[in-house]
Amino acid sequence: GDSVTQMEGPVTLSEEAFLTINCTYTATGYPSLFWYVQYPGEGLQLLLKATKADDKGSNKGFEATYRKETTSFHLEKGSVQVSDSAVYFCALSESGGSYIPTFGRGTSLIVHP
Amino acid sequence: GAVVSQHPSWVICKSGTSVKIECRSLDFQATTMFWYRQFPKQSLMLMATSNEGSKATYEQGVEKDKFLINHASLTLSTLTVTSAHPEDSSFYICSASVGGLSTDTQYFGPGTRLTVL
Repeated sequence: GDSVTQMEGPVTLSEEAFLTINCTYTATGYPSLFWYVQYPGEGLQLLLKATKADDKGSNKGFEATYRKETTSFHLEKGSVQVSDSAVYFCALSESGGSYIPTFGRGTSLIVHP
Repeated sequence: GAVVSQHPSWVICKSGTSVKIECRSLDFQATTMFWYRQFPKQSLMLMATSNEGSKATYEQGVEKDKFLINHASLTLSTLTVTSAHPEDSSFYICSASVGGLSTDTQYFGPGTRLTVL
């Protein structure tokens, strides 16, 4: 079945540092890939998405590129801020199916001033 | 963008009582909504898919008699935790797709934190 694997956290960085959160996936078809962000005490917000190979999703300075050859969708940001502290979930949903997403376990990001 | 709300945002109840959580799509019609449960520092676990006008589809291991789901209109789904016990304490999140099951993007509510004493 489909699965998503994320790097374990927490990831702790200083403000303005470069961020990478790794995500790899296993899917039988051609999934859409997502990154969601969850701030403390809140629900999930869609951060970015990519629907086909080599697509790059971007939002709020975050980027992720759909790499079919490595089955990866790593999240990057060039300069993190304290306000980026949150839990980040990588997810996929299969096309032609129910579109119900499969989530990774989440990676906590802590950014210090 | 599509907005999903939940009410209440948090609730504390006594063991044995029932609690109802509402999920509303504010600016779109949602034929399908989803209910998730999230334990601390863990990922979301899909509990059930709620379909307007029909019975919900529950994931394996989820007790349908304990977690009652009603999707009476295109903008409202409710989850009732019946005879709640401390082990039901959790963060419950709903989501909705703008195009039902034919679209790949879900919009999530802010979540409801349930504490059962």
